[in-house]
Amino acid sequence: ILNVEQSPQSLHVQEGDSTNFTCSFPSSNFYALHWYRWETAKSPEALFVMTLNGDEKKKGRISATLNTKEGYSYLYIKGSQPEDSATYLCASHSGGGADGLTFGKGTHLIIQP
Amino acid sequence: EAQVTQNPRYLITVTGKKLTVTCSQNMNHEYMSWYRQDPGLGLRQIYYSMNVEVTDKGDVPEGYKVSRKEKRNFPLILESPSPNQTSLYFCASSLLPRIRDGYTFGSGTRLTVV
Repeated sequence: ILNVEQSPQSLHVQEGDSTNFTCSFPSSNFYALHWYRWETAKSPEALFVMTLNGDEKKKGRISATLNTKEGYSYLYIKGSQPEDSATYLCASHSGGGADGLTFGKGTHLIIQP
Repeated sequence: EAQVTQNPRYLITVTGKKLTVTCSQNMNHEYMSWYRQDPGLGLRQIYYSMNVEVTDKGDVPEGYKVSRKEKRNFPLILESPSPNQTSLYFCASSLLPRIRDGYTFGSGTRLTVV
């Protein structure tokens, strides 16, 4: 079983500020790293799937980077808005079998107006 | 609309009474999976299926069964539910297990076993 760690567990950010949080994962047998956004009472939605070391992906004000050699990924949110409030999940695929993603516990982000 | 449909959304049941949570996807995805979410823990995989009639255990399979008789459906069966199976359950699907587009999740089933 992979060990995927996310920090911080929760985060309060003022509206308009930028923020970032971390996902660490085992770098051996790495295949892909996923980020999901999970709003309360809804289902997780895919933000990014990253596979290459040094990869950077962007969707609007949200971006993510990947370092597969040291086993970490950062998620950045620029100019936070109240609608960014959610739990952000990262999940890792290892190489080998067909089993699924191993998820971290998530970072719960609250944007304060 | 491409989606994964789970039913029911909420279920309260008693210990030992068999139940089934249904999951259906309309995207012709080969890979389907069940996860449970408990407070303080990440999503944990229960079972997964690579294709019709191909299923395998995830990290926490005890107390659960699944079947994949048709590509679109992947029901989760609790033969004799116990209170420690009280949890939030998600079904997810993807075209292939190690897909580069991310998984599509159902809306979740909140199960309470008393």
